[in-house]
Amino acid sequence: DVQMTQSPSSLSASVGDRVTITCRASQSINSYLNWYQQKPGKAPKLLIYGASRLQSGVPSRFSGSASGTDFTLTISSLQPEDFSSYYCQQTYSAPWTFGQGTKVEI
Amino acid sequence: EVQLVESGGGLIQPGGSLRLSCAASGFTVSSDYMSWVRQAPGKGLEWVSVIYSDGNKYYADSVKGRFTISRDNSKNTLYFQMSSLRAEDTAVYYCARGAYYSGLDVWGQGTTVSVSS
Repeated sequence: DVQMTQSPSSLSASVGDRVTITCRASQSINSYLNWYQQKPGKAPKLLIYGASRLQSGVPSRFSGSASGTDFTLTISSLQPEDFSSYYCQQTYSAPWTFGQGTKVEI
Repeated sequence: EVQLVESGGGLIQPGGSLRLSCAASGFTVSSDYMSWVRQAPGKGLEWVSVIYSDGNKYYADSVKGRFTISRDNSKNTLYFQMSSLRAEDTAVYYCARGAYYSGLDVWGQGTTVSVSS
């Protein structure tokens, strides 16, 4: 199975900050890497798919990139509504594993 | 409007069985990849199962042999039959649409399963 190691598990930031979250896959997953945002008590929301493709309706301050088995989610200028939890997920091979999550706090 | 609505959760004793339903509208379940994802209280997301549009099914090791994913094309509904339930299966269960190349782009609101005596 592909293991996804996400870091950090939590971070503190301020409005306007540039924030970076990283996921490392245990093997090559091509670009089958997705990023989700989840707010407390709500279902996750797809932000990025295919490592760098922005889901329709998602603000352009969110971006994704890849380098080998390392994947990065970047929020260019953190907004109040972005304080949330974020998860990566690989869909290269079943089981479609998630990372452990990152909580972005004020 | 594309929508998923789960039902069937509840309190069940260890060793019991439960069937979750996920009614879809605005698209055809049989033409898409459909997954179940769960989240234990205070924990992260755990992918548990997927059924492909061609009918292939895959499961996480944690539920393999105990849970079964299926769909009813006439009702446009996804199901999750859960048996031999354990305390560690306690979670909010989400159904979601999405293929390996597009991510899970539509999610239900979730249904809560509590396994306790």
